[in-house]
Amino acid sequence: QVQLVESGGTLVKPGGSLRLSCAASGFTFSDYYMSWIRQAPGKGLEWVSYISGSASSIYYADSVKGRFTISRDNSKNSLYLQMNSLGADDTAVYYCARVANFDSWGQGTLVTVSS
Amino acid sequence: DIQMTQSPSSLSASVGDRVTITCQASQDISSNLNWYQQKPGKAPKILIYDVSNLETGVPSRFSGSGSGTDFTFTISSLQPEDIATYYCQRYDNLPPYTFGQGTKLEIK
Repeated sequence: QVQLVESGGTLVKPGGSLRLSCAASGFTFSDYYMSWIRQAPGKGLEWVSYISGSASSIYYADSVKGRFTISRDNSKNSLYLQMNSLGADDTAVYYCARVANFDSWGQGTLVTVSS
Repeated sequence: DIQMTQSPSSLSASVGDRVTITCQASQDISSNLNWYQQKPGKAPKILIYDVSNLETGVPSRFSGSGSGTDFTFTISSLQPEDIATYYCQRYDNLPPYTFGQGTKLEIK
């Protein structure tokens, strides 16, 4: 069955950097667009970024453009999100999801930006 | 960017009630709209895709309708396990794949 497992979330200081990972299994990873979505504590869902199967097409939300970089390694069935210049507003649970009607989501990883 | 306006933001209903949530897009998004259910501490789960198509395994008491800019999500007979927050999401052409603000559904 499809499984997505995020990792890498932790406490980081403002201005710091962090790299999130999402390990995929149960499907042909390279065939699917993938996305990151985040949810600040007690708030709604915010779409963050998207990458095509070949990584030839990439988009970002305006709120993270220029600071976050999405990437993937199809040989490792893994999706990544490099996050730089982090601020308090980036505190959230970060989910990876398969962009086939967003039919599969990971359990999320918590990123806390605080001094 | 296309904005998604979801209402109400919260809703209290009794078991067995018919529950309706609306989602309005600021521009025509054709039939590219999904609905999700999120329970506390859990990842969102897709219930309905492309306005009205039920995801496999989702009970038939859930349904969706609409097109263009106005969409509706309905639970025909509310069950205790339906207590959750529900989100619509635009999913057409290119990102951003904007979500609605969410509707928190509680039992009266």
